[in-house]
Amino acid sequence: QVHLVQSGSELKKPGASVKVSCKASGYIFTSYAMNWVRQAPGQGLEWIGWINTKTGNPTYAQDFRGRFVFSLDTSVSTAYLQISSLEAGDTAVYYCARPLSATGYDLIYWGQGTLVTVSP
Amino acid sequence: SSELTQDPAVSVALGQTVRITCQGASLRYYYASWYQQKPGQAPILLMYAKNSRPSGIPDRFSGSSSGDTASLTITGAQAEDEADYYCNCRDNSGNPNWVFGGGTRLTVL
Repeated sequence: QVHLVQSGSELKKPGASVKVSCKASGYIFTSYAMNWVRQAPGQGLEWIGWINTKTGNPTYAQDFRGRFVFSLDTSVSTAYLQISSLEAGDTAVYYCARPLSATGYDLIYWGQGTLVTVSP
Repeated sequence: SSELTQDPAVSVALGQTVRITCQGASLRYYYASWYQQKPGQAPILLMYAKNSRPSGIPDRFSGSSSGDTASLTITGAQAEDEADYYCNCRDNSGNPNWVFGGGTRLTVL
C-alpha cells in the first residue's frame, strides 16, 4: 500500500528558509517521479515541479525557479522541498504527489500536505 | 495565470448530470487528468488518460475530450460530489511541465 507522509506544519519569518519532507513507502521509490504542488489559502492548485527520483534531475515550473529546490535521500525513500527567502505569498499547503505512471502528470498518490505559514 | 481554463463555479440538482470543462491549447495533444478536492483534504485522482478511472472511483464519473476542451461528466450527481474539481495536463512548452486548471467549485442543490 502506497503512502506519502509529509513533515508537520511550519511557521517561519519572512526571509527564512524551510525544508518540507515527503517519506514514501509501499513501492520502489526510484521507480516513480515525485511532484510538488502548492495551494495557497482559498486558492487553486499550482504545480511547482517534479524530480526524477532515479537521476535526481529536477524540473521546475517557470514561476518557481530560483527559490524552490528539490532534493532526495533515496536511502530513506524521502523527497524534500526547500524554499528559501520566504515571502508572505509562500504561505500555503505544500503537497508531494506520485504519478500513476513513472513520470506522468496523473498524480494518484498524495501526501497529507504541509502547511507553511510565513508571518513576521 | 493558468494555461487551462475552467469555469469557477457550476451547480447541479441532486441526481442530475453535470459537465465540468477544461479548455487549453495543450489539450489538443494531451489527455487531461481530473481531480476532486474536498475542504481540508488532499486531491483525489478521478480520471486519467482517455477515460480511465483509478480503482475505487465510481463509474458515474467519466471523461471526454474534443479539440482543445476536456470534460468531466458526473451522471447522477450525489451530495458527496460537492467539491472542487481540477484538471491538469502538460503545458505548451514541449518540455515535461505540467499545469493545473484554476478549478471549478461544484455545488449539488
